[in-house]
Amino acid sequence: GAVVSQHPSWVICKSGTSVKIECRSLDFQATTMFWYRQFPKQSLMLMATSNEGSKATYEQGVEKDKFLINHASLTLSTLTVTSAHPEDSSFYICSASRLAGAETQYFGPGTRLLVL
Amino acid sequence: GENVEQHPSTLSVQEGDSAVIKCTYSDSASNYFPWYKQELGKRPQLIIDIRSNVGEKKDQRIAVTLNKTAKHFSLHITETQPEDSAVYFCAAKSGYGGSQGNLIFGKGTKLSVKP
Repeated sequence: GAVVSQHPSWVICKSGTSVKIECRSLDFQATTMFWYRQFPKQSLMLMATSNEGSKATYEQGVEKDKFLINHASLTLSTLTVTSAHPEDSSFYICSASRLAGAETQYFGPGTRLLVL
Repeated sequence: GENVEQHPSTLSVQEGDSAVIKCTYSDSASNYFPWYKQELGKRPQLIIDIRSNVGEKKDQRIAVTLNKTAKHFSLHITETQPEDSAVYFCAAKSGYGGSQGNLIFGKGTKLSVKP
């Protein structure tokens, strides 16, 4: 159990377009989902935390108007990169935990975004 | 807030040898410490975790130790195999404040096991 999927697995887009990434918990209800960004050979940097039905909590330095997060159900959270630019190119990974404040996070396979 | 330091950044061992990766944390209220293994281009996989009420935990060839007083925890891999080669991340769950419940990750250790 505890499988998390992401879609798409990779995306290439033109500068100025918006890209939506989906994160789904397949076999459990995820009260909390997390969005991370990972640059090559670097660590996981938390972007935001979202709880179902409420607004996401963004980490310092992350633009909430640029990275729109929606957690509309207990199995789906979406991250939309608006007006993407080349510097937004990165590996975006989501994770989910079963309960609010639960310790274990289960990670999705990641989405590689390349903005031309 | 919490800060996690991880050492070394790279580690190369011969197959069969042991590997040790160390992490320190700053928030004394942190109470959960997982270790993740990430192969190139893939998702982080939880390999072992420890809670602050336990000093050591073992699962086959993998063990984690926690020293709450010194605020450091370590991952030990014995009898390493080539398939252990990956990047390993430690993390600490912050105990309070605006980031309560969030995992703060170390910078990672690239482990290479030479056959």
